[in-house]
Amino acid sequence: SQQGEEDPQALSIQEGENATMNCSYKTSINNLQWYRQNSGRGLVHLILIRSNEREKHSGRLRVTLDTSKKSSSLLITASRAADTASYFCATDSGDDMRFGAGTRLTVKP
Amino acid sequence: DVKVTQSSRYLVKRTGEKVFLECVQDMDHENMFWYRQDPGLGLRLIYFSYDVKMKEKGDIPEGYSVSREKKERFSLILESASTNQTSMYLCASSPPYLATQYFGPGTRLTVL
Repeated sequence: SQQGEEDPQALSIQEGENATMNCSYKTSINNLQWYRQNSGRGLVHLILIRSNEREKHSGRLRVTLDTSKKSSSLLITASRAADTASYFCATDSGDDMRFGAGTRLTVKP
Repeated sequence: DVKVTQSSRYLVKRTGEKVFLECVQDMDHENMFWYRQDPGLGLRLIYFSYDVKMKEKGDIPEGYSVSREKKERFSLILESASTNQTSMYLCASSPPYLATQYFGPGTRLTVL
């Protein structure tokens, strides 16, 4: 069963704008990860944030984690058409890893 | 770079056929996983393996079996394919104690 739930389910923005996706989960976690999936392809790991971290950056990606609210956000700054993909959060409880249903991001040129 | 390959990108089978999906990783990872992905449901874990000849059921093992005879290869078997097994199948691997999983490109299976 799913653990993380992404919000929104779909997001459409113009190139150059920022995109924010949210993930909520239910149980305690060791870490939370974000993955990207291009249409019809496998998932690619983007970034991992541990439960004792609050914010992490990687290039144009910024991830925050609020364990008190059991939520995380992924911000993509200065989006590009090539960022068009589905984005998934995955929660690692130590016993297993659970993926959400994803946010479908469309970046229009 | 870690490379995870899957035997087919697209596969069409008939109801009742036995189907083999193969996954190979080249990074000597101990852990391997099989997921299926359906719209609106995210990834659901079918089976995983932490070592050769070892397997554990995931959330939806019914109708599936697996085989891991060699460390680099993890096979998913549909004993008698049914139309409700039409889906995208994703294989992944990871080293022990490392959360990050490395995914193959996926196999889109259609059962007619």
